[in-house]
Amino acid sequence: EVQLQESGPGLVKPSQSLSLTCSVTGYSITSNYWGWIRKFPGNKMEWMGYISYSGSTSYNPSLKSRISITRDTSKNQFFLQLNSVTTEDTATYYCARYYYSSYPRYFDYWGQGVMVTVSS
Amino acid sequence: DTVLTQSPALAVSLGQRVTISCKASESVSSSSYSYMHWYQQKPGQQPKLLIYHASNLESGVPARFSGSGSGTDFTLNIDPVEADDIATYFCQQSWNDPLTFGSGTKLEIK
Repeated sequence: EVQLQESGPGLVKPSQSLSLTCSVTGYSITSNYWGWIRKFPGNKMEWMGYISYSGSTSYNPSLKSRISITRDTSKNQFFLQLNSVTTEDTATYYCARYYYSSYPRYFDYWGQGVMVTVSS
Repeated sequence: DTVLTQSPALAVSLGQRVTISCKASESVSSSSYSYMHWYQQKPGQQPKLLIYHASNLESGVPARFSGSGSGTDFTLNIDPVEADDIATYFCQQSWNDPLTFGSGTKLEIK
């Protein structure tokens, strides 16, 4: 069974970088695509970006200057780094498998999520 | 960006049928497929895929759930509604970049 688990600090200071890890079991990240999605207080959900089986990335243009998604295939993990955070980056962050091809194309497995608060 | 519009909340009686709608600001369908998906999220849990590509039931999801639509108008139906269905339902499109989500419809019991 495919399982994903996010980890990382729950509190980040403004202007610093947010760094999260997604550990995947039951499936290799060298197959398919792997994404980050966040949910803000009040329910709005935002796709942040994804990394492909080959290591190529795609990011939401709203974040493009601040975001980086990388991976460690030896540990079957992928990572999110978001720079220069503000209080508006306070959210629950999810990692998910993006089952991607010309068809089909959807998020089918999700981690439990990690709540990150940006505050001094 | 493709904006997906959902009603904020719906109240329904147990055992009744409910229809949750999602309207896209532009088409999310190709000539062959619709790239709209539905997720259920309960408090404190991660989203769960229910319906993919408008009308396909994800494995393990009860047949009480169904989806339909194409172009810009999509619906998720639950019939009959059970107590376990109380949750927030999100639509999400994967046809236009960037990927976007609806704001969610919270299902409440009358």
